[in-house]
Order: sequence, then structure tokens, then C-alpha cells
Amino acid sequence: SYELTQPPSVSVSPGQTARITCSGDALPKQYAYWYQQKPGQAPVLVIYKDSERPSGIPERFSGSSSGTTVTLTISGVQAEDEADYYCQSADSSGTYRGVVFGGGTKLTVL
Amino acid sequence: EVQLVESGGGLVQPGGSLRLSCAASGFTFSSYSMNWVRQAPGKGLEWVSYISSSSSTIYYADSVKGRFTISRDNAKNSLYLQMNSLRDEDTAVYYCARDVSPFPGTTGYFDYWGQGTLVTVSS
Repeated sequence: SYELTQPPSVSVSPGQTARITCSGDALPKQYAYWYQQKPGQAPVLVIYKDSERPSGIPERFSGSSSGTTVTLTISGVQAEDEADYYCQSADSSGTYRGVVFGGGTKLTVL
Repeated sequence: EVQLVESGGGLVQPGGSLRLSCAASGFTFSSYSMNWVRQAPGKGLEWVSYISSSSSTIYYADSVKGRFTISRDNAKNSLYLQMNSLRDEDTAVYYCARDVSPFPGTTGYFDYWGQGTLVTVSS
């Protein structure tokens, strides 16, 4: 089955830049989306269509795509950014099969 | 204000059934596709099922195919998930989420989520 691969954890100090990657063979053909989830809360969309930012999401959140890898970048990380981050895309390998999520990346702000 | 409120979760024995509901408000429910997503305790997100705005297109994850049924009632602004033959591994918080897709009949991104309802499968 189709998979999206994320690093389990990323750690940065406040004010630094955090980069979280997501790899998948179909990413050149399908949009990727990113969600932030804090403990006990529902996920929140932070990036859609690879690099678009929803209204209300701080400008320090950005997304990019290159080949089979998409990247969520958080510039000037703040303590409140500590959370789990999930990428999402569509499983279109062969017959369309729906949605796939990456395994999630825990961002720790040191 | 867009609101999605799930209900119907609880404790059920293996092999049992449960029906989840999601009440939508603050937007034109009949214009949007919807999804169910679950999260087992301490684990990541797992997509469960998708239904298009008119119910004409439905997808399921392989892990629930043949056991779960998604449906909606646009007159009642409600989304449902009928869960049968429940297993221990179905234990999770179940979220409903609004879908925004650039292409009809396919899944897109989830711009609004409910707070979730906990389903526990245990004897």
C-alpha cells in the first residue's frame, strides 16, 4: 500500500528554523497538505496544495515541494509551535484509493 | 462559524456495533464532501472513509472495508458512520472532517474538524 514517510521527531531551539519532510512516490502528481495537532486537540490545517497557507495561520509556516518530497518549514520557531505534524495526500497508485497520512513528526522546541 | 460535533462513541465489546454521528452547522453541508478520520491512543492519524456531497462517491480504507458504512443526510446536516464487527484495533478517537477538493469525486484537504468521539472496543 502507498505510504508517506516522515521523520519521527525534529528538535529546534526557539527562533531557529524547523524543516519537516514527507516523502512519497506519488507526491509529484498529488497535492500535499499539512496539519498541526497539539495534545488533546483536533488537527488544524496549516498548509494546503503544497504551499498555500490558510487564513489565520502565521506567515512563519510555509510549504514547498521537490520531486517526491514535500517540506513544511517553520521559520522563527516559537514555543507554541511544539506539536505533532502530519502530511496528507491522496493514494492514487493504480485505482484511486482515498487518503493517506504520514506517520507524523513530533516537533520539540528546546 | 463552522462547527462539527461528533457523538455516539462509547464502550463496545468485540464483534459489536456502534453508529457515530456528526452534526454540521455554519455552512452549506450539502455542498461539501466529508470524511471520517480516526486516531488510536498515542498513535497517528488514519483516514477511515470519504463521502461526496451527493453520496454518489464513497471510499473506505482497506482496514474497515466491509465492516463500516458511511452515509449522510443533507436534510439533517448530518454525517454518519455505522461500525459493525468491531475489533480491538478499532479503538480510537473518531473525527469527522470537512473536505475541500480541487477535483470532483476525489479527496482533498480537511479544513474543519470536529473534536472527536472516543470509541473503545474491549471485553
